[in-house]
Amino acid sequence: KNQVEQSPQSLIILEGKNCTLQCNYTVSPFSNLRWYKQDTGRGPVSLTIMTFSENTKSNGRYTATLDADTKQSSLHITASQLSDSASYICVVSSGINAGNMLTFGGGTRLMVKP
Amino acid sequence: ETGVTQTPRHLVMGMTNKKSLKCEQHLGHNAMYWYKQSAKKPLELMFVYSLEERVENNSVPSRFSPECPNSSHLFLHLHTLQPEDSALYLCASSQDRGTNEKLFFGSGTQLSVL
Repeated sequence: KNQVEQSPQSLIILEGKNCTLQCNYTVSPFSNLRWYKQDTGRGPVSLTIMTFSENTKSNGRYTATLDADTKQSSLHITASQLSDSASYICVVSSGINAGNMLTFGGGTRLMVKP
Repeated sequence: ETGVTQTPRHLVMGMTNKKSLKCEQHLGHNAMYWYKQSAKKPLELMFVYSLEERVENNSVPSRFSPECPNSSHLFLHLHTLQPEDSALYLCASSQDRGTNEKLFFGSGTQLSVL
């Protein structure tokens, strides 16, 4: 059964600090791995998409890494801001279709405090 | 603003009511999706439409009935719901259904069934 596990479930950090969120997956076959940011009461917004051959991708202060051998990914947030408070969802795609072959993780809820 | 608009944002209904959720995308995409996000659970795919044709029904109870009159609009008709159906219902779209397509989500409809 395809699964995506994220850790920690929740995290509180002080503004300006860095943090790293983890994602482990058992999805086969693997097509790509995505990180989404979901603000409270809003829909998820795509941060990064990485294919098998990519091991790192950045989007501003967000940097995602992928180790396809160990089936792990991380999302590193640098110099956190209050607006980074949100849930971060790791999603792994398998097969040939975008929407119906996505396995979603349960998310990490990040709170950035002043 | 992702280009995907959902209405209403919030909905409270009794178990005997009939209501509809609406989704509209202004991106020229060919694929549209309904997802359910329950508290503390990963997103669950409900339905997939590609070029107005339903291509996936992910074992969703018949009290949920989707409709896609054209490639820009998607509806979810609700009737005789149960309290456990209370959740955030998210609509998404993608250019096509290819494996690397990015999903664009609406802000969701927060549904409460009393």
